[in-house]
Amino acid sequence: GAVVSQHPSWVICKSGTSVKIECRSLDFQATTMFWYRQFPKQSLMLMATSNEGSKATYEQGVEKDKFLINHASLTLSTLTVTSAHPEDSSFYICSARGNRGAIYGYTFGSGTRLTVV
Amino acid sequence: AQSVAQPEDQVNVAEGNPLTVKCTYSVSGNPYLFWYVQYPNRGLQFLLKYITGDNLVKGSYGFEAEFNKSQTSFHLKKPSALVSDSALYFCAVRGTWNRDDKIIFGKGTRLHILP
Repeated sequence: GAVVSQHPSWVICKSGTSVKIECRSLDFQATTMFWYRQFPKQSLMLMATSNEGSKATYEQGVEKDKFLINHASLTLSTLTVTSAHPEDSSFYICSARGNRGAIYGYTFGSGTRLTVV
Repeated sequence: AQSVAQPEDQVNVAEGNPLTVKCTYSVSGNPYLFWYVQYPNRGLQFLLKYITGDNLVKGSYGFEAEFNKSQTSFHLKKPSALVSDSALYFCAVRGTWNRDDKIIFGKGTRLHILP
């Protein structure tokens, strides 16, 4: 079945530094990728949607200059948290949809736990 | 706008008993409905989806869900709960065909199966 690899699974960084999270579709072409953020004991909040080769579409209230998303190929999307602060600490999850349409579902990565100290 | 409601923050069920996790939705057009399960510090695992066809959908690990259009519900069910079913369950929906195909999640329901 469809597999999405996300790494790192966890990362600790100092305040002010940038962190890059990768999301790869291993056995299918991901025409669309979604990035979610999950706070403890809460639901997934959609941050942005990216289509291969075009700029990401950010949800209202998400700072696009802080959360840089790149979807340069059909198998790789990256989320860079720039100038991270402790309030950016969260669980980030990517999801990929293949080019066979939404009816075939959305595959999720295993998530990245980001801690900013 | 599309939305999903999971009215219960937590559901407790004794092992061996049937379980139900509730979900209602609101979309424009026909819905695509999904259930996912999340274990601590892990991503989401797909359980099942409804796209079209039979209202009763069977999925992974013995779970099933019933699509009820008149009640706009998609409750998750299992005839006999296992302790290992304890996890966080998310209902999700995608509505009218739009360019970004995003799906919206409910707030989640924590399922506790008591031994």
